[in-house]
Amino acid sequence: QLQLQESGPGLVKPSETLSLTCTVSGGSISSSSYYWGWIRQPPGKGLEWIGSIYYSGSTYYNPSLKSRVTISVDTSKNQFSLKLSSVTAADTAVYYCARREYSSSWYLPGWFDPWGQGTLVTVSS
Amino acid sequence: QSALTQPASVSGSPGQSITISCTGTSSDVGSYNLVSWYQQHPGKAPKLMIYEGSKRPSGVSNRFSGSKSGNTASLTISGLQAEDEADYYCCSYAGSSTFGAVFGGGTQLTVL
Repeated sequence: QLQLQESGPGLVKPSETLSLTCTVSGGSISSSSYYWGWIRQPPGKGLEWIGSIYYSGSTYYNPSLKSRVTISVDTSKNQFSLKLSSVTAADTAVYYCARREYSSSWYLPGWFDPWGQGTLVTVSS
Repeated sequence: QSALTQPASVSGSPGQSITISCTGTSSDVGSYNLVSWYQQHPGKAPKLMIYEGSKRPSGVSNRFSGSKSGNTASLTISGLQAEDEADYYCCSYAGSSTFGAVFGGGTQLTVL
């Protein structure tokens, strides 16, 4: 059974860079049938897609965050990572990693399943 | 890409049916049958309930069903049970400009 686990600092100072890693177990991150993504949820608010990466390294970012986001993949470690620069209090959120399945009906990235348990990152001095 | 529009809250009594709407645009929901629905209980990660508009993953109760008409997708839960009380989010493929995803604002379901 595929499992995803986020890891990284729970506290980041304003203007610094948030760095998280998602470790995939129970399956290979190099499968051509999947993308891998990051989604966040500010406390008490809704979900926001941050970006996705394909095992080949192709990346896709939310236009509203694109200037600050970098997602990378390390197939040798079965991990993918998120970096978000110049953070502010507005970036405080639970950050989830998830597998994004490729729709064989539409030949496009589709739904997110499964999800990691999430990790709370607080931006504060 | 703008967030999809969902009602903030819906409620129903045990055994009843409820429907949650999710309105997007002709660039996302209207152009692709790539709407998915997620259930989120407090403090937990979202769980996939419906994908490609109307398909149920293995293990999800057949009380959950999805549909789409034009730019609006819908999630229907029949035979409401206490454990269905949760937040529900819709999500759509956001179009070829970003290959991204856009979520709805979420709907809080209360089982009375």
